[in-house]
Amino acid sequence: DTEVTQTPKHLVMGMTNKKSLKCEQHMGHRAMYWYKQKAKKPPELMFVYSYEKLSINESVPSRFSPECPNSSLLNLHLHALQPEDSALYLCASSQQGGNSPLHFGNGTRLTVT
Amino acid sequence: GNSVTQMEGPVTLSEEAFLTINCTYTATGYPSLFWYVQYPGEGLQLLLKATKADDKGSNKGFEATYRKETTSFHLEKGSVQVSDSAVYFCALMNTGFQKLVFGTGTRLLVSP
Repeated sequence: DTEVTQTPKHLVMGMTNKKSLKCEQHMGHRAMYWYKQKAKKPPELMFVYSYEKLSINESVPSRFSPECPNSSLLNLHLHALQPEDSALYLCASSQQGGNSPLHFGNGTRLTVT
Repeated sequence: GNSVTQMEGPVTLSEEAFLTINCTYTATGYPSLFWYVQYPGEGLQLLLKATKADDKGSNKGFEATYRKETTSFHLEKGSVQVSDSAVYFCALMNTGFQKLVFGTGTRLLVSP
């Protein structure tokens, strides 16, 4: 069982919808990440939060809006997405510093219609 | 810059065969190296790691040795099982950065 929990597992949304992806971890990790993975490709980094502050934004379009309400929770708010945004969205967490390994959730499979 | 190169897949093996998946890297400084595995429909699981030269990471029968002289971190297993069928990603993280740099992934298919 993964220690990083993501909900929902699957999401279908239209281009005018607003939805949110949620991620939770209780390992005491202070770094949390959002990755996007297209089929047959490696994950691509989107955002990194460190001690609940956004530390890295990989030039992600503003239709993706991350939020870190506390050290255990990470959200990704979605608005006006495009069909090409359909992908597996992975959340991860890690200890802060020291090249600590990332622990991934099972992801949310997003389809934009 | 930092990059990871993995062998093209798929790698197709019979059960109990020996597995090698090649991984080489380019990095400044002294990165940590990782192997992650992704089973169908799931996220990535950390398989093993090594943080300095000559370290050997091992888990579930898989091994990889951090070779600084050849900038390699090849994954090996002595006897694969059908349940090992998955995509394997080699990755590095450099000191002071929070970015995990992935290789393209290698699909392993093991038949009975």
